[in-house]
Formats: sequence, structure tokens, C-alpha cells
Amino acid sequence: SQKIEQNSEALNIQEGKTATLTCNYTNYSPAYLQWYRQDPGRGPVFLLLIRENEKEKRKERLKVTFDTTLKQSLFHITASQPADSATYLCALFYNTDKLIFGTGTRLQVFP
Amino acid sequence: GAGVSQSPSNKVTEKGKDVELRCDPISGHTALYWYRQSLGQGLEFLIYFQGNSAPDKSGLPSDRFSAERTGGSVSTLTIQRTQQEDSAVYLCASSLNSRGNQPQHFGDGTRLSIL
Repeated sequence: SQKIEQNSEALNIQEGKTATLTCNYTNYSPAYLQWYRQDPGRGPVFLLLIRENEKEKRKERLKVTFDTTLKQSLFHITASQPADSATYLCALFYNTDKLIFGTGTRLQVFP
Repeated sequence: GAGVSQSPSNKVTEKGKDVELRCDPISGHTALYWYRQSLGQGLEFLIYFQGNSAPDKSGLPSDRFSAERTGGSVSTLTIQRTQQEDSAVYLCASSLNSRGNQPQHFGDGTRLSIL
């Protein structure tokens, strides 16, 4: 079965630096890959979507890359701020009408 | 506009009781999903509704779990004879359709605690 791996350890970075989060998967590549942000006690919030045939997608300070050879997506937040502190989830879509979510990586940005 | 609404936000009940969780999706969204999230864990898919099609129940952990979606809108997730391992946050999401190029919009969940 498909496995998704996100770093379970929290990522701690200083304000102003670029945060890079990793999402690795096994077996075959998804048609779409999505990234979500989840704050404590809240539901996930959609951030970005990237298609299988796209290499990179940007939105303001966010950038997602998708490497089907490495079976990996990277999620970057540039000029990070304490308000970016949250858990970030990647989710893969395999034409089964369902998203498969990773366990998420907690990001902590300190002043 | 209004987002996905879930109620109650918190539910504490005794083992063996039945519980009913409610989800009001975004108007016009044909796809509705239920997930379960245990502490520090990812989202576990439970069940999915798309339009008038038969629901995909492949993620339901046991026959104590069931869900309905009436009139293509509101959905209820029912857990019968609750067990302590059912304690978790139950999240509902809706999307415009079930294609992967659409984002899912989540409610803030129901935190279920079984004593």
C-alpha cells in the first residue's frame, strides 16, 4: 500500500529564514499533491496544489516542488514568521477519489 | 461565505453509549468526507460521499460506525456502543467535487472523549 513520510520531528527555525518541509512517498506518483496547514484545535486549511506534470508552484511566500523521480515534494516558506508556526500536512491523490494524508510536520518559528 | 460547520465541538460520553456527530458542508459542494485524527496522528479516512452515488465506506473501522448524508447536504456520523479507542477528533471536509484538483475544506472537528 502507498506510504507517505513526513518528518515527525518538529522543525525549529529562526524568524526570517526559509523553512523547508519534506514529503516522501513510495510506489507510484500521485496525480495531484496538496499541502495543508493545521493549527492546534482547528481543521486543516488548504494551501497549495501541484500536479504530477508540474515541477514547481508558488503562492506569495510559499513554494512547492514535486520531483516524481525522487518521489518527493518539498514545501518552502520564505521569510518565515512566528505566525507560520503550525503543523503542515501533505496529501496525495491517486484517482481513487480520496486524499491520503501524511502525519504532518510541526514547524516552530521563533523570534 | 460560511465554511464547513461541525457540531458538537466537544462530546464526552460513557463507554457503550451511542453518539451522533453532525457536519454541514459548504453549499454546492458535492463531495463530503469524514476523517478521524488521533492525538499526534495524521488523518485517517473513514467514509466519503459524492453526489447521489453510493458512499465509499472502505475506511470505517468497524460496523459500529455508520454515516448518512441527507439530501446531498448535511451528514451525520454515528458511532454505536462507543469504546475508549474511539476517542479522537472527527473531522469533516467538503469539496466542489471528488477530483484531486479541488481542495478540501475542513470543519474544526468534534473532539470525542469516551470515559
